[in-house]
Amino acid sequence: GAGVSQSPSNKVTEKGKDVELRCDPISGHTALYWYRQRLGQGLEFLIYFQGNSAPDKSGLPSDRFSAERTGESVSTLTIQRTQQEDSAVYLCASSQTAGDYNEQFFGPGTRLTVL
Amino acid sequence: AQTVTQSQPEMSVQEAETVTLSCTYDTSESDYYLFWYKQPPSRQMILVIRQEAYKQQNATENRFSVNFQKAAKSFSLKISDSQLGDAAMYFCAYRRGLGTASKLTFGTGTRLQVTL
Repeated sequence: GAGVSQSPSNKVTEKGKDVELRCDPISGHTALYWYRQRLGQGLEFLIYFQGNSAPDKSGLPSDRFSAERTGESVSTLTIQRTQQEDSAVYLCASSQTAGDYNEQFFGPGTRLTVL
Repeated sequence: AQTVTQSQPEMSVQEAETVTLSCTYDTSESDYYLFWYKQPPSRQMILVIRQEAYKQQNATENRFSVNFQKAAKSFSLKISDSQLGDAAMYFCAYRRGLGTASKLTFGTGTRLQVTL
């Protein structure tokens, strides 16, 4: 079936504007993760959702960042009042469950540029 | 907190030769997983190989193998018979074992160049 998809592929915005990034996980995957990758860096965990459990928001860098997930499908990452330091690639991943080993499948990411 | 360190920002290897990428990690957990991911310019993260901490045998996947030294907290990746298509960023990653906190913790990556 289809893999993880993300939209938009690229987003350019002005400092201070809000942005929404979308992730469509693989059908049937109950766990969904958001990561941020700054230029030349590894991925940093932001948040993950597992079924109906409360999300783990421990990686969100500030209260400008928030994410929602509708059931076990689409997730939206929202960044309010964007800053230049928010420029990065935002990657989404999904897996069958969060516990035990289940491979995380990644989407192609959204490149966010804040001018 | 767990940390993952990749001390080689860039490596180069000739086609058909062997290269080893280094990774060390720090954790107080006894049950965990380790991974190597490949990220080509397309940005797509591709799982190359994984190792369960409780397994003493080193994982292998075709031309890719690991040297897992649990006591030393070392997890290196060996690529044999390197191919042009192996050129990419390689990330080492850690994940706690059973239960909660299944997020991946990544190193900063090693850029691998493959030359003719």
